[in-house]
Amino acid sequence: QEQLVESGGGVVQPGRSLRLSCAASGVTFSGFPLHWVRQAPGKGLEWVAVISYDGSNKYYADSVKGRFTISRDNPKNTLSLQMTSLRAEDSAIYYCARATPTGWGSYFEYWGQGTLVTVSS
Amino acid sequence: DIQMTQSPSSLSASVGDRVTITCRASQNIDSYVNWYQQKPGKAPKLLIYVASSLQRGVPSRFSGSGFGTDFTFTISSLQPEDFATYYCQQSYGTPYTLGQGTKLDI
Repeated sequence: QEQLVESGGGVVQPGRSLRLSCAASGVTFSGFPLHWVRQAPGKGLEWVAVISYDGSNKYYADSVKGRFTISRDNPKNTLSLQMTSLRAEDSAIYYCARATPTGWGSYFEYWGQGTLVTVSS
Repeated sequence: DIQMTQSPSSLSASVGDRVTITCRASQNIDSYVNWYQQKPGKAPKLLIYVASSLQRGVPSRFSGSGFGTDFTFTISSLQPEDFATYYCQQSYGTPYTLGQGTKLDI
């Protein structure tokens, strides 16, 4: 069965940290870019970060730059998102996604079911 | 950053209707637009990639077109299971921005 499974979400106080993980089962991670996308309650999708197939390149949305760090462990087929200095506006469902490159671009072919992060005192 | 302006934000339609959603990019993005469907409480699902390629397993009533800055997503004959929210997304460059979404309801 092809699936991505996120974990690590929960309730955290403003200013604290949280680490999200994404594990693949039946989906090949190695050799593909991996992304995090989030969705605040009742809102649209917001792209958060991407890491290249080998981990050498990482890009972030301006809203999380300097606070979030994306990483991957290819032998373990896992993706992580270290979130620090969390704010209320970071509250969202966080999805991991595996991208499939096509020419210059790519598309998110596989998605996890999401993990909810709530930042609240 | 590339902005993706999607319209309409909401749409009411009936089973059997033909529905069209548009997305306009703030700069030329070639064909690098993808379309996703999201149902309440579920993860997004890829429908169309590179503007017009149908993802495997997706019914042929879904289609996409466009190049450069203007893109269109069409459902030729709405089925009950198609009532959901749809998003466009550009993959021409980071950040990989998405449209605001179009909520399609009965």
